[in-house]
Amino acid sequence: GAVVSQHPSRVICKSGTSVKIECRSLDFQATTMFWYRQFPKQSLMLMATSNEGSKATYEQGVEKDKFLINHASLTLSTLTVTSAHPEDSSFYICSARVGVGGGYTFGSGTRLTVV
Amino acid sequence: GIQVEQSPPDLILQEGANSTLRCNFSDSVNNLQWFHQNPWGQLINLFYIPSGTKQNGRLSATTVATERYSLLYISSSQTTDSGVYFCAVGGGGSQGNLIFGKGTKLSVKP
Repeated sequence: GAVVSQHPSRVICKSGTSVKIECRSLDFQATTMFWYRQFPKQSLMLMATSNEGSKATYEQGVEKDKFLINHASLTLSTLTVTSAHPEDSSFYICSARVGVGGGYTFGSGTRLTVV
Repeated sequence: GIQVEQSPPDLILQEGANSTLRCNFSDSVNNLQWFHQNPWGQLINLFYIPSGTKQNGRLSATTVATERYSLLYISSSQTTDSGVYFCAVGGGGSQGNLIFGKGTKLSVKP
């Protein structure tokens, strides 16, 4: 089946540093990928939609200068959390739709802890 | 936007019991999926079911699109079924995102 590989699975960083999270579609091409954030004991909330070759679309309240998204190829999207602060600590997970009209598959998620 | 409501929010079962989880949504959808989130955070896709009925082992799901709800049935529950079950729907376009409910936290006791 279609697989989205997400790395790293866990990262701890110091306040003020930047962290890059990668999502790769392994056996299909994803012109669009979605980035979600999940705080403890809460649901997944869409942060942004990543479009190959164009600018990402951010949801209301998500700072585009803080959460940089790059979708440079049909199989790779990256999310960079810049100048991370403890309140950015969360579980970040990416997703892609497998073909038009099909279901969505998710990466394994990245647990970010900012200290 | 589309609202997704799941019930119950929490469910505690004895091993071997059956359960039904419900997902109501506020508008027409062209995609509906049920996921199980394991303790490590991984979302396991259970069913892609915008309409109709599907079964996979002890799990089955039914979506009645005209009445805007979906049900997930778990039979003969096992402790490994514990976790959070999410319903997510997609409403528009071929590349639209999924909107998640708040989930049902299931705890199966031995």
